[in-house]
Amino acid sequence: KAGVTQTPRYLIKTRGQQVTLSCSPISGHRSVSWYQQTPGQGLQFLFEYFSETQRNKGNFPGRFSGRQFSNSRSEMNVSTLELGDSALYLCASSLGLGGYTEAFFGQGTRLTVV
Amino acid sequence: AQSVTQLDSQVPVFEEAPVELRCNYSSSVSVYLFWYVQYPNQGLQLLLKYLSGSTLVESINGFEAEFNKSQTSFHLRKPSVHISDTAEYFCAVSERAGNMLTFGGGTRLMVKP
Repeated sequence: KAGVTQTPRYLIKTRGQQVTLSCSPISGHRSVSWYQQTPGQGLQFLFEYFSETQRNKGNFPGRFSGRQFSNSRSEMNVSTLELGDSALYLCASSLGLGGYTEAFFGQGTRLTVV
Repeated sequence: AQSVTQLDSQVPVFEEAPVELRCNYSSSVSVYLFWYVQYPNQGLQLLLKYLSGSTLVESINGFEAEFNKSQTSFHLRKPSVHISDTAEYFCAVSERAGNMLTFGGGTRLMVKP
């Protein structure tokens, strides 16, 4: 079956702009999580959505937001981009039914802010 | 709150030598433990996991990790590495009630011929 698909793979934006990243989970998965990966801060949890509801949120400013649609696809949005937002953004999907369900990661979207 | 510490940021090793990547965690609740591998310009792939039961878990490509509750450790080992094992390895924990993963800083394994 198809894996987690993230689009676009690469993105270059200018400071002050906003950006939307997309994640299509594995078919049947209802949980989508987002992570930011940078050389300085490593992998940090942004938020998790399950059945269109945000279930958990990491310690990021309000410029970072997300949503999940009824088909489980998810988008994250970053407004008023800063240079420090340059990172690899990873999406992970899982069944999300409670307890442990394995997270499968997409290849990520590399965002560069100039 | 949980935290994960990977004690070595880089581990150089010669091909066919054994390797151990160290991971310690801190949590006030029971957790699940994971090792993920990341190849350049790729996402994360699950290498192995500890959920419960036997404290020694193995992957299909020869890696193993042992959960040590008293030392709050989950070190990753391989008796003989290959060039193809060159990658970054991340230790992670998840509270049993949710899907949020807390990652360590990563260890870059560099296998030299």
